Amino acid sequence: AQSVTQPDIHITVSEGASLELRCNYSYGATPYLFWYVQSPGQGLQLLLKYFSGDTLVQGIKGFEAEFKRSQSSFNLRKPSVHWSDAAEYFCAVGEAAGNKLTFGGGTRVLVKP
Amino acid sequence: DADVTQTPRNRITKTGKRIMLECSQTKGHDRMYWYRQDPGLGLRLIYYSFDVKDINKGEISDGYSVSRQAQAKFSLSLESAIPNQTALYFCATRDGARETQYFGPGTRLLVL
Repeated sequence: AQSVTQPDIHITVSEGASLELRCNYSYGATPYLFWYVQSPGQGLQLLLKYFSGDTLVQGIKGFEAEFKRSQSSFNLRKPSVHWSDAAEYFCAVGEAAGNKLTFGGGTRVLVKP
Repeated sequence: DADVTQTPRNRITKTGKRIMLECSQTKGHDRMYWYRQDPGLGLRLIYYSFDVKDINKGEISDGYSVSRQAQAKFSLSLESAIPNQTALYFCATRDGARETQYFGPGTRLLVL
């Protein structure tokens, strides 16, 4: 069965600093990987996705993620965070493109002024 | 993006009551999903539907049922609500062309 681990429950970062959120997955075949963001009181918004090809993928809001098959990881990064990036971030793996997603427990990001 | 709406947005109910959460979408996506979100557990799949006649159980379907009334509508029912069903519930649709799920705004349910 597929699974996703987000080791960091909370991360606090200063505005303007870089951010990296960790995601490790377990899946027997080629993974379809996603990052979603949930702002307070909102639904989930897709940040980026990886299906195949270039292992560094660019998303919205200045985020990028790197797929590393050898480490079973799909970490999310942003070079310089803004106060509006305060939210909860979820990594997910799908058994097929976009179907039956399995989510990690989420990482809540707090941004200090 | 898919226009996915959920009603109600908030609901308080009592143990033993039957309630229904509704989901509608306007983009013509065939596949629809129900998830629940609990702190620290992320989202877990309750049921999913590939079309009106194809409904499947997800990871945590016990205590829930669903109905796909039309391509655009997918309802989740709690036949006899219990307090540990207190959670945030999300509906999602899948865009086959973009191979991506899009989520509604969620329904916050409190079972007393």
